[in-house]
Amino acid sequence: EPEVTQTPSHQVTQMGQEVILRCVPISNHLYFYWYRQILGQKVEFLVSFYNNEISEKSEIFDDQFSVERPDGSNFTLKIRSTKLEDSAMYFCASSLTGINEKLFFGSGTQLSVL
Amino acid sequence: ELKVEQNPLFLSMQEGKNYTIYCNYSTTSDRLYWYRQDPGKSLESLFVLLSNGAVKQEGRLMASLDTKARLSTLHITAAVHDLSATYFCAVDPRLSGSEKLVFGKGMKLTVNP
Repeated sequence: EPEVTQTPSHQVTQMGQEVILRCVPISNHLYFYWYRQILGQKVEFLVSFYNNEISEKSEIFDDQFSVERPDGSNFTLKIRSTKLEDSAMYFCASSLTGINEKLFFGSGTQLSVL
Repeated sequence: ELKVEQNPLFLSMQEGKNYTIYCNYSTTSDRLYWYRQDPGKSLESLFVLLSNGAVKQEGRLMASLDTKARLSTLHITAAVHDLSATYFCAVDPRLSGSEKLVFGKGMKLTVNP
């Protein structure tokens, strides 16, 4: 079965540094998402992306966050100046027709901000 | 704001037993999703419930949706160790143009031999 791939699986960074989390969604999918899960807590929506633009973002997704689909295959999440509270597992997801059907999640990037 | 509550949050049960777990949500929606997460792994879609009265079954798991009660159940039949995982329900708030899912806190299930 096709899958969403994320790299790296683990990222350790110093507070204030920029990080880029990378995702390759399933090739014919049109809707892309980032969610995050702080250790032991629930999964939280960050942003959805469709037709090369952000369609929705949460309160968490402030000016420090940005997303890009630079080349038609990758979908990236950038955090410009990381904070301690950004430490979490970040999941990318994609869907062919949006949330009317199931989302396919990647295996996640564990981000640790020191 | 939509709130999604799962009950219980932790469950330890013996193999062979049956149990039902619950997912309540606070505002009108007719779209609910169940996901499974193994430790350190991603979220695996189990069920997509898209209407009132929807019932879906896969193996030892059966999910249903009652939109009037704003309640979904996930029934486990004759549990086996392989079902040990965390189970999340997620609700589509059904806001116009929204692509967001709101997740519950998850229920950690341990099935003991």
